[in-house]
Amino acid sequence: QITLKESGPTLVKPTQTLTLTCTFSGFSLSTSGVGVGWIRQPPGKALEWLAVIYWDDDQRYSPSLKSRLTVTKDTSANQVVLTMTNMDPEDTATYYCAHKPDYYDSNMNVWGTGTTVTVTS
Amino acid sequence: SELTQDPAVSVALGQTVRITCQGDSLRNYYVSWYQQKPGQAPVLVMYARDNRPSGIPDRYSGSRSGSTAALTIIGAQAEDEAEYYCSSRDSTGDLLVFGGGTMLTVL
Repeated sequence: QITLKESGPTLVKPTQTLTLTCTFSGFSLSTSGVGVGWIRQPPGKALEWLAVIYWDDDQRYSPSLKSRLTVTKDTSANQVVLTMTNMDPEDTATYYCAHKPDYYDSNMNVWGTGTTVTVTS
Repeated sequence: SELTQDPAVSVALGQTVRITCQGDSLRNYYVSWYQQKPGQAPVLVMYARDNRPSGIPDRYSGSRSGSTAALTIIGAQAEDEAEYYCSSRDSTGDLLVFGGGTMLTVL
């Protein structure tokens, strides 16, 4: 059974750097084709894809946020870390990580429950 | 967004509803569909155009024609009321994108 769980601060101040950790079980990020994606959802708004990291350390980022995002993996610890710099109140959202089982298909078949981040001074 | 969805759709209980997603990248890449209920994480309900994950009722089906993909629910139930998002690769094929979501109301 695949599970993922996001963790990190619930409150950050503007201009600070956000670091979120996705801790997962039931799969390995050393398996060919597998990835972990990050998605966020501002209150009352649509899902927004942020980034994905694959088994081979290939990283892809949303063009609109690329300059602010970094995603890394610790395969032995079964963790993926998302870093977002220069946080702004508009970054207030629920942040999800998700299992991406196939490099070539867009589907993310198991999601974490999400973690809510509020950006406020 | 590179994927366009109707903001809202309604269907009478037991009837059939089609939720669409339009985008040029859909000519080349499969779409995934997610269901999201209030306060919950999204759940994958369809992928690779017409594949249902385990546990998703067979009243859900997927299709694609040209640049438009569709999620069809035959015999909609009250529990199908939710927000539905499509997702696929972008036009470059390197990145992922979501549609703006469709709120399905079951009357």
